[in-house]
Amino acid sequence: ETGVTQSPTHLIKTRGQQVTLRCSSQSGHNTVSWYQQALGQGPQFIFQYYREEENGRGNFPPRFSGLQFPNYSSELNVNALELDDSALYLCASSLGAGGGENEQFFGPGTRLTVL
Amino acid sequence: AQSVTQPDIHITVSEGASLELRCNYSYGATPYLFWYVQSPGQGLQLLLKYFSGDTLVQGIKGFEAEFKRSQSSFNLRKPSVHWSDAAEYFCAVVALDSNYQLIWGAGTKLIIKP
Repeated sequence: ETGVTQSPTHLIKTRGQQVTLRCSSQSGHNTVSWYQQALGQGPQFIFQYYREEENGRGNFPPRFSGLQFPNYSSELNVNALELDDSALYLCASSLGAGGGENEQFFGPGTRLTVL
Repeated sequence: AQSVTQPDIHITVSEGASLELRCNYSYGATPYLFWYVQSPGQGLQLLLKYFSGDTLVQGIKGFEAEFKRSQSSFNLRKPSVHWSDAAEYFCAVVALDSNYQLIWGAGTKLIIKP
């Protein structure tokens, strides 16, 4: 059984560019959540996908968007990058929606630097 | 709105000494509470969780936490720390008014002195 994987590991972009981050969920999991973790802070919930539908969104602008595919892998897309988007982006998968009783398993993250 | 406070940004403990990491939450009802650990280059790992029942919760790696409703606290403890416990620790609560998503504290970095 493989865990949650994310790609790429590191990424450097410039302001105004667009970026796509990828996440493969743990085998058997149908839910993926994305978090942004700025340096020295706890993760902030971006959104969650359950069975290919968005199932909750945090306080992030529409330029943060996502997809979940039939195999339950997921993408996070960020348009018009800003310097403040520099952060570690974490993906977590779970069997079932929400963040309560369904334990979330986290990937190692993608470190995005915006110059 | 729910919030989580971890008052200590850094804590330094000697190897073999006991540990207590503090966590306070703001929520009107009984929350779902979690402690996660994050080591460099690794994903967040769940140490333990509290939903209901016994207020003293046992987790992995010898950690435990106690839910105290009167103090709105969920402090993490370990009787004797090992150098491998050096990491960042996060307390989190489920936002029942926001589709059950996790609300996180800012974390406490644990430093182990040899």
